[in-house]
Amino acid sequence: DAGVIQSPRHEVTEMGQEVTLRCKPISGHNSLFWYRQTMMRGLELLIYFNNNVPIDDSGMPEDRFSAKMPNASFSTLKIQPSEPRDSAVYFCASSLAAGGNYGYTFGSGTRLTVV
Amino acid sequence: KQEVTQIPAALSVPEGENLVLNCSFTDSAIYNLQWFRQDPGKGLTSLLLIQSSQREQTSGRLNASLDKSSGRSTLYIAASQPGDSATYLCAVPLGSGNTPLVFGKGTRLSVIA
Repeated sequence: DAGVIQSPRHEVTEMGQEVTLRCKPISGHNSLFWYRQTMMRGLELLIYFNNNVPIDDSGMPEDRFSAKMPNASFSTLKIQPSEPRDSAVYFCASSLAAGGNYGYTFGSGTRLTVV
Repeated sequence: KQEVTQIPAALSVPEGENLVLNCSFTDSAIYNLQWFRQDPGKGLTSLLLIQSSQREQTSGRLNASLDKSSGRSTLYIAASQPGDSATYLCAVPLGSGNTPLVFGKGTRLSVIA
């Protein structure tokens, strides 16, 4: 299993540009989570999906952020327009609740820099 | 609202020492608790998961304990090695099933050879 795959690994963009982050969860996992990590705030949940359906997007900071999960094997997080304060590492994680063992697997993250 | 706190924020120890990392959470009604390791520039790797009915879990030189009533967990690392240098995070789920994890800000550990 290749694990949770995120792309790109690094993204540098200019303020005002659209940014799209991508995530491929582990096959068979039925939940997907998007987190953002900064030095100041640590890991913060942005949004999560169960069975491709968005359950809670209250962590999405503004309307500039949107996320989709068109199928069980793909999700995107879009920022439009991007701002310097969006600079952070964005992680995707997937999980499968089975037998009480709720194992979460994280991707390697996308480091976003908005200049 | 569940909050997770980790103390200390950073720790530096000489190689070979035994050490304890602390984690506390405000809502004791948790289903489980996980400890993760994060290397610089990398994602999170799950180390140990303790179910709410358990008091501890062990994996190699790592031992994690859980005291739900007091809202505390500890991660014990025996005979520390330079390769243990990383940030260690604890996390608890918001609810049962596939719910998001709430993370502490982590303890950055440096083991000096």
